Amino acid sequence: AQSVTQPDIHITVSEGASLELRCNYSYGATPYLFWYVQSPGQGLQLLLKYFSGDTLVQGIKGFEAEFKRSQSSFNLRKPSVHWSDAAEYFCAVVVSGGYNKLIFGAGTRLAVHP
Amino acid sequence: DVKVTQSSRYLVKRTGEKVFLECVQDMDHENMFWYRQDPGLGLRLIYFSYDVKMKEKGDIPEGYSVSREKKERFSLILESASTNQTSMYLCATVQGGYNEQFFGPGTRLTVL
Repeated sequence: AQSVTQPDIHITVSEGASLELRCNYSYGATPYLFWYVQSPGQGLQLLLKYFSGDTLVQGIKGFEAEFKRSQSSFNLRKPSVHWSDAAEYFCAVVVSGGYNKLIFGAGTRLAVHP
Repeated sequence: DVKVTQSSRYLVKRTGEKVFLECVQDMDHENMFWYRQDPGLGLRLIYFSYDVKMKEKGDIPEGYSVSREKKERFSLILESASTNQTSMYLCATVQGGYNEQFFGPGTRLTVL
């Protein structure tokens, strides 16, 4: 069965530091992958997506992610974190079988210290 | 821009009450979804709909039902609310094909 694992439940970084959030997926074929962000009290907003092509994907707010098939990973990165990046981040993969159903990871909550 | 609205941001109900959560989208999307979000569990799919009057169970449908009478509106119904249904409920919508889902702001439901 398809699954998504986000190994880190909480991460704390200092403002200006670099960030990497990990995501591992389980899927036989080429996956369609997403990263979403949820600010406190808000719905989810798409940061970026990977469907095919270039394995380094650029998103909004200065985020990027790299698809590595050999490692079944789709890690999210940002070179310099801002205090406004404090939020919860979700990795998701499209479920085979149509209808654009998604399976989400458990999420990583990011705290940013000044 | 796609707009997905949910009828309430916060809702408090009593055990045994019938609860309706409504979701409305303005982009004529075909597919609509209801998720519940709990700490440490991420988002779990309750039900989805791929057309008017069409619905499919998700991963955790027990205790819930849905209704889609019009394309833009998708309702989640808790027939008899229980305390273990206290959660954040998120609605999402997507056009056909492999595209991103667009989410509403969520409804935080507390069942006392």
